[in-house]
Amino acid sequence: DQQVKQNSPSLSVQEGRISILNCDYTNSMFDYFLWYKKYPAEGPTFLISISSIKDKNEDGRFTVFLNKSAKHLSLHIVPSQPGDSAVYFCAATRGGADGLTFGKGTHLIIQP
Amino acid sequence: DVKVTQSSRYLVKRTGEKVFLECVQDMDHENMFWYRQDPGLGLRLIYFSYDVKMKEKGDIPEGYSVSREKKERFSLILESASTNQTSMYLCASRSFWADTQYFGPGTRLTVL
Repeated sequence: DQQVKQNSPSLSVQEGRISILNCDYTNSMFDYFLWYKKYPAEGPTFLISISSIKDKNEDGRFTVFLNKSAKHLSLHIVPSQPGDSAVYFCAATRGGADGLTFGKGTHLIIQP
Repeated sequence: DVKVTQSSRYLVKRTGEKVFLECVQDMDHENMFWYRQDPGLGLRLIYFSYDVKMKEKGDIPEGYSVSREKKERFSLILESASTNQTSMYLCASRSFWADTQYFGPGTRLTVL
């Protein structure tokens, strides 16, 4: 059973527009959520995170929204830039020493 | 800056060989993790360690073992490599007091 789901394998957005990446989770014990960006042949790079006690966290062009009742989070990138083209992974954890549970990723393509 | 390094970027081994993947972090992090990434499956947790000489199984530990003799070093061992272990292997570390994990560049392992 997949506890973290990213239902869009790919997303194409025009440069300068908003990119919205979605993620759903099923485990109500998750209390911390993260977004990672990954280029081919490189390790994931941490992008932004949010605790379950918040519903929004912003860092520059990146904003993450959390809707706990819907078990849904989204990453907004505004404005989208060519360098944003990458695979984005949503991840969740219960905290403590546990590892992260990842979604399968969304390949974001920014078109000029 | 957190630095996580992995001993090899690319590795080719034969079926039945014993394989060692090494990971070193320089931030004095307590927790270390091994994941594998496969197309369409995202990142899956193999093993993790929350302290020296401590280890815990992740979601897919079969066919793997780990060793953590020093705080900064976490090794993943494939006792007898098989073709279905061809994958990208990613090491990560994290402070016990935080939830964000930092990843190394990955090792692309091919088992022939």
